[in-house]
Amino acid sequence: DTGVSQDPRHKITKRGQNVTFRCDPISEHNRLYWYRQTLGQGPEFLTYFQNEAQLEKSRLLSDRFSAERPKGSFSTLEIQRTEQGDSAMYLCASSLGLGKETQYFGPGTRLLVL
Amino acid sequence: GQNIDQPTEMTATEGAIVQINCTYQTSGFNGLFWYQQHAGEAPTFLSYNVLDGLEEKGRFSSFLSRSKGYSYLLLKELQMKDSASYLCAVRDGNTNAGKSTFGDGTTLTVKP
Repeated sequence: DTGVSQDPRHKITKRGQNVTFRCDPISEHNRLYWYRQTLGQGPEFLTYFQNEAQLEKSRLLSDRFSAERPKGSFSTLEIQRTEQGDSAMYLCASSLGLGKETQYFGPGTRLLVL
Repeated sequence: GQNIDQPTEMTATEGAIVQINCTYQTSGFNGLFWYQQHAGEAPTFLSYNVLDGLEEKGRFSSFLSRSKGYSYLLLKELQMKDSASYLCAVRDGNTNAGKSTFGDGTTLTVKP
């Protein structure tokens, strides 16, 4: 148990619907990352927070994706107007920061867009 | 940007030793991670190398050569439970983010 939790674990939605995922990092960790992973590939970076500030966002991330970390603790990732190509595992990871950059991953949210 | 290469698949026998290689070409470098990922599960941390040389941790060891852009993960005394995907990830050296770029992983199958 790494201490990072994600909710829900699985989500099935219809194309065009909006979905929101939640990540609760390890409590003392300052940095929080979102990745997307499809079968046979490694995790692909989406976005990153240092406390409540979103410091980097992948160019691959379309305007339909938005993430927040309002109080520097939990984070949400929203996908608007979902497309079938959004089907993937969405992974959240956290790290302590301050030179301690090992990322600890949550169990992921598996999204299926029909 | 980062480019990371790993073999797609490897097979080894229980009790044997296997070496999984990773090469990278990066615009910046601030360390290399190895993660293990079982099917349907999240990656779990195995090792982190920032300086050249060998880091040993139980049955697992990881080696780094920064001048060659090369790392390997060595697994000894293989067990069936070691069947998993092994991900090499390079930490971005251009920012303070600690953002890592992952390879596509090497799927290791351990056979009896």
